[in-house]
Amino acid sequence: AQSVAQPEDQVNVAEGNPLTVKCTYSVSGNPYLFWYVQYPNRGLQFLLKYITGDNLVKGSYGFEAEFNKSQTSFHLKKPSALVSDSALYFCAVRDLNKFYFGSGTKLNVKP
Amino acid sequence: NAGVTQTPKFQVLKTGQSMTLQCAQDMNHEYMSWYRQDPGMGLRLIHYSVGAGITDQGEVPNGYNVSRSTTEDFPLRLLSAAPSQTSVYFCASSHGGDYNEQFFGPGTRLTVL
Repeated sequence: AQSVAQPEDQVNVAEGNPLTVKCTYSVSGNPYLFWYVQYPNRGLQFLLKYITGDNLVKGSYGFEAEFNKSQTSFHLKKPSALVSDSALYFCAVRDLNKFYFGSGTKLNVKP
Repeated sequence: NAGVTQTPKFQVLKTGQSMTLQCAQDMNHEYMSWYRQDPGMGLRLIHYSVGAGITDQGEVPNGYNVSRSTTEDFPLRLLSAAPSQTSVYFCASSHGGDYNEQFFGPGTRLTVL
């Protein structure tokens, strides 16, 4: 079965510092991986996705993600965090008609 | 485009009551789905549909029914509400295919007393 894991419930980072939110996956075929962000009392917003090709994927709001097949990881990164990046982040994998989400990582960016 | 819309935003039910959560999308997406979000558990798939007239169960379907009579609408019915169904419910839609992202509605916060 397909699955994703987000090993950190919470990540704390100072504004201006780089941030990483971790995700590992388990799939039986080609991985189609996604990152979403959720602000308080809102729905999920799509950030970026990996389909194939370049291992570094660029997305919205300056976020990028690095796909690593050997480590089965798809970590979300940003070179310089903003306070406004504070939110809940979800990694997901799509298998045909089903999406499988991780449990989410709360990112806290402190001024 | 309005995207994915959900109604109501908030709802309080008593145990045993039934209700329908509405979801609509105007992007001509084939795929629609319902999730529930509970603290520490991420999003869990309840039911999904790959097109009008076609629905299937997800991870946690018990206590919920769905139908898809049109491409645009995908209502979720709670047959007999239970306190365990207290949650935030999200509807999402996308085009078919492995590589397409989902678009989410704003959610419905449901409390069952």
